[in-house]
Parts: sequence; structure tokens; C-alpha cells
Amino acid sequence: SYDLTQPVSVSVALGQTARITCEGYDIGRKNVHWNQQKPGQAPVLVMYNDYRRPSGIPERFSGSNSGNTATLTISRAQAGDEADYYCHVWDSVSGVFGGGTRLTVL
Amino acid sequence: QVQLVESGGGVVQPGRSLRLSCAASGFTFSTFAMHWVRQAPGKGLEWVAAISFDGGNKYYADSVKGRFTISRDNSKNTLYLQMNSLRPDDAAVYYCARDAAHSGFDWLDFWGQGTLVTVSS
Repeated sequence: SYDLTQPVSVSVALGQTARITCEGYDIGRKNVHWNQQKPGQAPVLVMYNDYRRPSGIPERFSGSNSGNTATLTISRAQAGDEADYYCHVWDSVSGVFGGGTRLTVL
Repeated sequence: QVQLVESGGGVVQPGRSLRLSCAASGFTFSTFAMHWVRQAPGKGLEWVAAISFDGGNKYYADSVKGRFTISRDNSKNTLYLQMNSLRPDDAAVYYCARDAAHSGFDWLDFWGQGTLVTVSS
């Protein structure tokens, strides 16, 4: 089975840039998607196909994917960005989620 | 607007069965693939199963294969998850989610609010 590895936690100062990574073998050849989940809420899609933003997601959110690492970048981090972030791919016959990263805005 | 409303969760004893439903509205249900994703208390998201737009293709996580069955009724705009031989580690919030792809599987663009399944004697 395909594995995705994310850091358990990332901290960022208010107004600075946060980068959340998602590692997987040759992940650059796959389409990577990112979901944000705030406490007590359902997940929300914030990035799809590596770098595409759904409507309503701020331009502060961006994505990249190359080699063995995909990255979700959040610029000018705000308190409202505090959440768990999950990377996700479809691997031939199954969905795969990363373990999730807790983003803390200091 | 797109709405996904799960139901059918509850408390069930180990070894028993439960059927979850997900009522869809606000879009043409019969043209989208659908998924079930679960989240155990305090844990991350775990993909459970997926079904193509016409029900012709179904895929399962190894952890549920042979015990869970995903299905859909496009005439009722409803997605189902039949869960048999439930185990304590199946306890979770179960989310249904829409796949953005009309053909194949891709990203999950809308999620329901989830339904809680508790497995306990």
C-alpha cells in the first residue's frame, strides 16, 4: 500500500509563512490534494491537483509537488488558519491520506 | 448548494451490523463518484471505500474489505455503507464525500458532517 508521511505539527508566527510537507514515494507523479479540518468540523478541500485552489480559498494558500515531496504553503498566516491539514492521493485502487499536520499560529 | 447528510450511526455491539446512509442534494448525484472516509476519536482521516458514479466500480481499504459494502441508489440520491462484523476499531465518525471526478477518482470536493459509530458491548 502507498504511504504518505506528514509532520505531526508545524508552528508559525502570525503573519509569517507556514509550509506543510507530505512525503511519498515518487509523489510528484501523483495528483495531491489537501484538506483542512478545524476542531469539531468536517474537512474542507483547500487545494487540489497539487496547486489548484477551490473557489473561496484565499490566494495565501498555494501548493507544489515534485519528487518525493508535496508542499502546502500558507502565506501571511492568520489565527483562522489553525487547523489539521491532511494530504490525500488516489493510488490506482484506493484513497490514501497522510497522518495529518496540526498547524499552530503563534 | 451541495449537501451531504449522513445518518444511521449509533451504538452497536462487536460482531453486529449497521448500515449508514448519505443523502445527497444540490447536484446531479448520478454523475459523481462517492467515498466514505472515517475518523476515529482523536485520530486522522482514514479512507474507507469508494464507488463510481454508476456503481460499477467499488474499492475498499484493506481494513474493511470483506466486511463492509459500499453501494448507491441513484434514483434516491443516496449512498450507503453496509458494515458487518463490526469491531471496536471500527468506531469512528464516518463521513461521506463527493469525488470531483465524473470518470475515475480524484479529489474530494464536498464532505458531509459525519455520523458517529460506536462499537461497544
